[in-house]
Amino acid sequence: GAGVSQTPSNKVTEKGKYVELRCDPISGHTALYWYRQSLGQGPEFLIYFQGTGAADDSGLPNDRFFAVRPEGSVSTLKIQRTERGDSAVYLCASSSSGTGADTQYFGPGTRLTVL
Amino acid sequence: AQRVTQPEKLLSVFKGAPVELKCNYSYSGSPELFWYVQYSRQRLQLLLRHISRESIKGFTADLNKGETSFHLKKPFAQEEDSAMYYCALKGGNYQLIWGAGTKLIIKP
Repeated sequence: GAGVSQTPSNKVTEKGKYVELRCDPISGHTALYWYRQSLGQGPEFLIYFQGTGAADDSGLPNDRFFAVRPEGSVSTLKIQRTERGDSAVYLCASSSSGTGADTQYFGPGTRLTVL
Repeated sequence: AQRVTQPEKLLSVFKGAPVELKCNYSYSGSPELFWYVQYSRQRLQLLLRHISRESIKGFTADLNKGETSFHLKKPFAQEEDSAMYYCALKGGNYQLIWGAGTKLIIKP
């Protein structure tokens, strides 16, 4: 079946602009995660959704970052007033229930470049 | 603090040689650990997890709570094993906490 998909695959924007990154999880997966991966680093947790609600947003770096999942499926990560330091690959993952020994399945990522 | 450390950024071995990718962790509870792999131009995918104690593509990893380690091993490396390998720890809210990764290069 279809895996996790993310759009766009690449996004180039200017400092100060607003961007939206989309994640389409595996159908039926209730848990959805966003991670950010900077060059030479492992992924870093941003936010976790269980259904429509953000169960843990402790990884969001500041209030310029916001994410929604209004119908419990597709999620959008929104970044306001982008800064050069926001440049990274943004990864989305989903799992069937988000509990216990679930496997997280990853999308291909969106590479964000802020000029 | 919850942390995963992969001390080697790069590991290069010859085909047929044994491979060991190191991973150490810091976690106050009962850890759940994973190895993920990312082949060139592909997405991250789960390689193995400690609770299943299985061997995937000839790789094994044993959780050593005394040494707080979860090293990944393979007795005979193959060229197709060349990839980025990430060790990860499942945190309190099921998010993954990641090491910085080790790039494994298998020389022919």
